[in-house]
Amino acid sequence: YDLTQPPSVSVSPGQTASITCSGDKLGDKNTCWYQQKAGQSPVLVIYRDTKRPSGIPERFSGSNSGNTATLTISGTQAMDEADYYCQAWDSFVVFGGGTKLTVL
Amino acid sequence: QVQLVQSGAEVKKPGASVKVSCKASGYTFISYGISWVRQAPGQGLEWMGWIGTYNGNTNYAQKLHDRVTMTTDPSTSTAYMELRSLTSDDTAVYYCARGLYDSSALTMWGQGTMVTVSS
Repeated sequence: YDLTQPPSVSVSPGQTASITCSGDKLGDKNTCWYQQKAGQSPVLVIYRDTKRPSGIPERFSGSNSGNTATLTISGTQAMDEADYYCQAWDSFVVFGGGTKLTVL
Repeated sequence: QVQLVQSGAEVKKPGASVKVSCKASGYTFISYGISWVRQAPGQGLEWMGWIGTYNGNTNYAQKLHDRVTMTTDPSTSTAYMELRSLTSDDTAVYYCARGLYDSSALTMWGQGTMVTVSS
């Protein structure tokens, strides 16, 4: 099972960033998202498609329908610059290839 | 606070084995499973497998199932990942991460252990 993410996304500070994750009937699976800043361990930012763990800012939101899950960052800040990975389950854990978010 | 602390960096020769430890604190160890994830230099995340700390059940990635063994020691709240027959392709940062089930989101990650395989 494959999950496809765009290699890179660019956004201006204060604007909305959308990062997609595509897979066959992905909307039927629970998807989560991780943020990984340079030299750091990943951090869970969205689980079960739309839920935010404690401590994750409200500007992070998620959706999942059809073949695509989307991580949306509203009012993007410079501190949000990082790699983002989607994850789903298909008998095994599958990660997307990652998307580098650049805040210009 | 809840944390996972991993063992230090390792340098191994091709064909050798490596065993990485992951010590949990701040929560009841057997209430959550442990997944292992690795990341080759400049690459993405690769799931290696999961172990249920309560009963020792495992689910290994197909690609690694014949070379990896995951174990736990509940008496010390420590999980272990052993990888055998190392090649240069196994050079990576290895992470342990807490997940309720093998299908669950990973809510807490260790700091990572760099394993370098070089002759």
